[in-house]
Amino acid sequence: GQQLNQSPQSMFIQEGEDVSMNCTSSSIFNTWLWYKQDPGEGPVLLIALYKAGELTSNGRLTAQFGITRKDSFLNISASIPSDVGIYFCAGPGLNTGNQFYFGTGTSLTVIP
Amino acid sequence: GAVVSQHPSWVICKSGTSVKIECRSLDFQATTMFWYRQFPKQSLMLMATSNEGSKATYEQGVEKDKFLINHASLTLSTLTVTSAHPEDSSFYICSAREGVSPLHFGNGTRLTVT
Repeated sequence: GQQLNQSPQSMFIQEGEDVSMNCTSSSIFNTWLWYKQDPGEGPVLLIALYKAGELTSNGRLTAQFGITRKDSFLNISASIPSDVGIYFCAGPGLNTGNQFYFGTGTSLTVIP
Repeated sequence: GAVVSQHPSWVICKSGTSVKIECRSLDFQATTMFWYRQFPKQSLMLMATSNEGSKATYEQGVEKDKFLINHASLTLSTLTVTSAHPEDSSFYICSAREGVSPLHFGNGTRLTVT
């Protein structure tokens, strides 16, 4: 399947700090999705990106679709304890039909 | 909107038995459904993609006779783990989309095979 690499693998930050994470692919993507997963639950959609260069916000979250179409970034501003969880990027490759693949994940811990 | 319900939330079964997991889209028509498997502290691994009324497309390495997927209607897909063994114990998550909309996920099923 498609390989999506996320970095960093894990982050430990103080409450109030900003967070940045990214996702890279070896092939071009035409859609990037960002999800958050809490333990024992399914992922929840945060932001969807559909065009290269697109910058989209959802509250304190901002995500960008990289110009090369091979990467995407997610930023969280002024982190709070409930931001704790695992963040995944996901998307379909151009030649993978309808299949959606997930990144390796970034685990975020917010220290109050 | 875009609610996906997965049932059961958890199941414990004996080795050799079969287990069926249901995935329902409650307020939209799921033209495509996806089944993922997730091991602890790992990412979601796509198992198969199914379109309503068609046979599922399985990812390389996923045994289609082991993991039977049925997507008989626009609101329901089922995954049956046949002749389950302890190594099949995992967290199984379904997702669904209508047309080209983003994926929406169920809350997952924790399968434990003893």
